[in-house]
Amino acid sequence: KQEVTQIPAALSVPEGENLVLNCSFTDSAIYNLQWFRQDPGKGLTSLLLIQSSQREQTSGRLNASLDKSSGRSTLYIAASQPGDSATYLCAATGANNLFFGTGTRLTVIP
Amino acid sequence: EAGVAQSPRYKIIEKRQSVAFWCNPISGHATLYWYQQILGQGPKLLIQFQNNGVVDDSQLPKDRFSAERLKGVDSTLKIQPAKLEDSAVYLCASSSQTRSTDTQYFGPGTRLTVL
Repeated sequence: KQEVTQIPAALSVPEGENLVLNCSFTDSAIYNLQWFRQDPGKGLTSLLLIQSSQREQTSGRLNASLDKSSGRSTLYIAASQPGDSATYLCAATGANNLFFGTGTRLTVIP
Repeated sequence: EAGVAQSPRYKIIEKRQSVAFWCNPISGHATLYWYQQILGQGPKLLIQFQNNGVVDDSQLPKDRFSAERLKGVDSTLKIQPAKLEDSAVYLCASSSQTRSTDTQYFGPGTRLTVL
């Protein structure tokens, strides 16, 4: 069974810093790897989706990388802003299911 | 385009009571998912529908949980009777295709507290 782990569980950074969130998965037979954002009391918003054949995806200040062989993905956030404060979840996609990590709670301090 | 709608947003019940959640997916989306997210954990898939048929319900505790999607649109998730460990946020998501590789759009969730 796929297991997804995210480290750290929580992270606080001052505004303007660049930061990296980590995600690891045990089964490399994935279709894609997704990063989501979850704000308190709200659902999940898809940020980036990396297909299994890709190495990275970029959207604005966000860059996600995927290394299937090592079972790792990273989400890089450049020039962090207070509005980036949220919980970030990664999910590894199997044949019929998304396997989510436990998330990293990010706080960007003004 | 309207997003995935869920109601109620919050529900507090006592253990052994029954509760039902409702989800209205994005118009035209064939696939609907129910997830359970316990505090501090990632969402866990409970059931997946394609139109009004069940694709995957392997993680649904069938002794107390049931779900239906009549007419392939709205869906309801029921818990009867509820246990303390059912306290969680129940998320509904929909996608236009049947494959889990396609983007899923999530509703705001229903926060259930079982006392």
